[in-house]
Amino acid sequence: DAGITQSPRHKVTETGTPVTLRCHQTENHRYMYWYRQDPGHGLRLIHYSYGVKDTDKGEVSDGYSVSRSKTEDFLLTLESATSSQTSVYFCAISLRTSGSYEQYFGPGTRLTVT
Amino acid sequence: DAKTTQPPSMDCAEGRAANLPCNHSTISGNEYVYWYRQIHSQGPQYIIHGLKNNETNEMASLIITEDRKSSTLILPHATLRDTAVYYCIVRVSGTSGSRLTFGEGTQLTVNP
Repeated sequence: DAGITQSPRHKVTETGTPVTLRCHQTENHRYMYWYRQDPGHGLRLIHYSYGVKDTDKGEVSDGYSVSRSKTEDFLLTLESATSSQTSVYFCAISLRTSGSYEQYFGPGTRLTVT
Repeated sequence: DAKTTQPPSMDCAEGRAANLPCNHSTISGNEYVYWYRQIHSQGPQYIIHGLKNNETNEMASLIITEDRKSSTLILPHATLRDTAVYYCIVRVSGTSGSRLTFGEGTQLTVNP
């Protein structure tokens, strides 16, 4: 258990509204990630962070923004939610051991955009 | 990243060893082999990784062939709770900022 929590765990929202998902970790890991998982697409990286205020885009970043003002929190914002953003969102942290990097995932947030 | 190939599904009897194969014939010398699994509706779970030596932890063993072109994940005494999709991933070391790419994986079903 890498001490990762996500909130909310479930959310239903309407098209066009902004939505913020929170990922919280308790162990001061430097690297944090946001993925989305959809049937037929596997896990796809949205954004990641390599430190406070240091973030970068992943492969499916359009329509999403992130912020990391402190080590323990990584926020994902859907600026104007669309139905195509209905998905399960997973946060992860990266733990370095002997030269390689393991990732540990949170429980996920199921988002439905109607 | 090297491409991996896994069987789409496997069955195993409870209490027996589950041996999950993975082919990664284009693996390069600095790429690690990682195994993750995802139990239905949960986040992916790290299991084990290795470079060229066999590895064992409390969850599983990883056997990598000498030419590193394939590997096998072994769950020594499978339980019903091991029913999940298992993913074999090849990644270069030191790329913490990069994504993990999960393919289709192997659906392991442990039967009572």
